[in-house]
Amino acid sequence: AQRVTQPEKLLSVFKGAPVELKCNYSYSGSPELFWYVQYSRQRLQLLLRHISRESIKGFTADLNKGETSFHLKKPFAQEEDSAMYYCALLQAGTALIFGKGTTLSVSS
Amino acid sequence: KAGVTQTPRYLIKTRGQQVTLSCSPISGHRSVSWYQQTPGQGLQFLFEYFSETQRNKGNFPGRFSGRQFSNSRSEMNVSTLELGDSALYLCASSRDRSYEQYFGPGTRLTVT
Repeated sequence: AQRVTQPEKLLSVFKGAPVELKCNYSYSGSPELFWYVQYSRQRLQLLLRHISRESIKGFTADLNKGETSFHLKKPFAQEEDSAMYYCALLQAGTALIFGKGTTLSVSS
Repeated sequence: KAGVTQTPRYLIKTRGQQVTLSCSPISGHRSVSWYQQTPGQGLQFLFEYFSETQRNKGNFPGRFSGRQFSNSRSEMNVSTLELGDSALYLCASSRDRSYEQYFGPGTRLTVT
């Protein structure tokens, strides 16, 4: 069964510290993976997807098929990065299978 | 470009009643997906509609149904409400398969 696991419910870091939000997936086939973010009192929005290989707001994520992982990284965290982050797997081109989410808290 | 809109934003219903939620996608988007978000189960896919046809369905009982109109607006219906149906229901629209899904603000349903 397709599944997305985010092992950390909460990640607290200091401003300027590196950040890594972990995501592991289970999928038989070629996965399409995404990171979504939800800032306080805002709607869920796409942060990045693996096929674009972009860096958005300083975040990057590399798909590692051997380890079935898609970890989100940023070298220097900012306070405005504080939010809920969801890793998601696209099934049949239409259904997003979400992990339970990780709350990132960046303090000064 | 206007974003995805959902109405109503908040709803309180009694167990056993039925409810209809509405979603208006971004102009030009023909795919509408629905998700349920609860503290215990997180975000779960309900179903997806494209050109008035259900293309994909999640693992929810038949009490949950939906439809899509010719203008791509979509509704979802929950019949015989149970306490466990209390959740935030999110709608997302996209151009088609594998395109970015844009989410609405959600409808908060409380069943008492």
